[in-house]
Amino acid sequence: SQQGEEDPQALSIQEGENATMNCSYKTSINNLQWYRQNSGRGLVHLILIRSNEREKHSGRLRVTLDTSKKSSSLLITASRAADTASYFCATGGEGETSGSRLTFGEGTQLTVNP
Amino acid sequence: KAGVTQTPRYLIKTRGQQVTLSCSPISGHRSVSWYQQTPGQGLQFLFEYFSETQRNKGNFPGRFSGRQFSNSRSEMNVSTLELGDSALYLCASRRGANQPQHFGDGTRLSIL
Repeated sequence: SQQGEEDPQALSIQEGENATMNCSYKTSINNLQWYRQNSGRGLVHLILIRSNEREKHSGRLRVTLDTSKKSSSLLITASRAADTASYFCATGGEGETSGSRLTFGEGTQLTVNP
Repeated sequence: KAGVTQTPRYLIKTRGQQVTLSCSPISGHRSVSWYQQTPGQGLQFLFEYFSETQRNKGNFPGRFSGRQFSNSRSEMNVSTLELGDSALYLCASRRGANQPQHFGDGTRLSIL
């Protein structure tokens, strides 16, 4: 079963616009990770944010984490057609062992139109 | 540095058969995890191996098993295949605690 929910399920924007995806989860976490998946391929790791961090940046990506609300958001700025993919959030539990067991959201399908 | 390598990329089997999937982690990564991805259930954790020992297990029947070798390479086996086992099977490795998991491109298993 999925721990979290992602919102929206699908998002369609024009190149150059910003895309924001949200993720909610249910249990205590050690970290939260965002992944991208192109059709039929594996998952590409984007950002890991630890439970004691509130915001993290990587290039055009910005991730926020609010542990009090059990939610996270991924912002992609100045989107490109190549950003078209499914985006997943995944939570890792606390501890070495449970941390290896990622629980994924249902994903957001992002389409960036040229 | 080479990424996670999964073989084969595609497999077609029939009900009742068994299958073995292989995963080579990133060099130096000792933790290997397996996930199943289906349109209906999404991404679900199968199990994790660390130093040749299963350290964590998801909610899958005993038909799903795995092992890890001394060089950290891992195999996953599914016996008595069912139609519902059709899925993308993903392997991931990580360097240590609180580190990201890095995924391979997966094995697409189709059951006829």
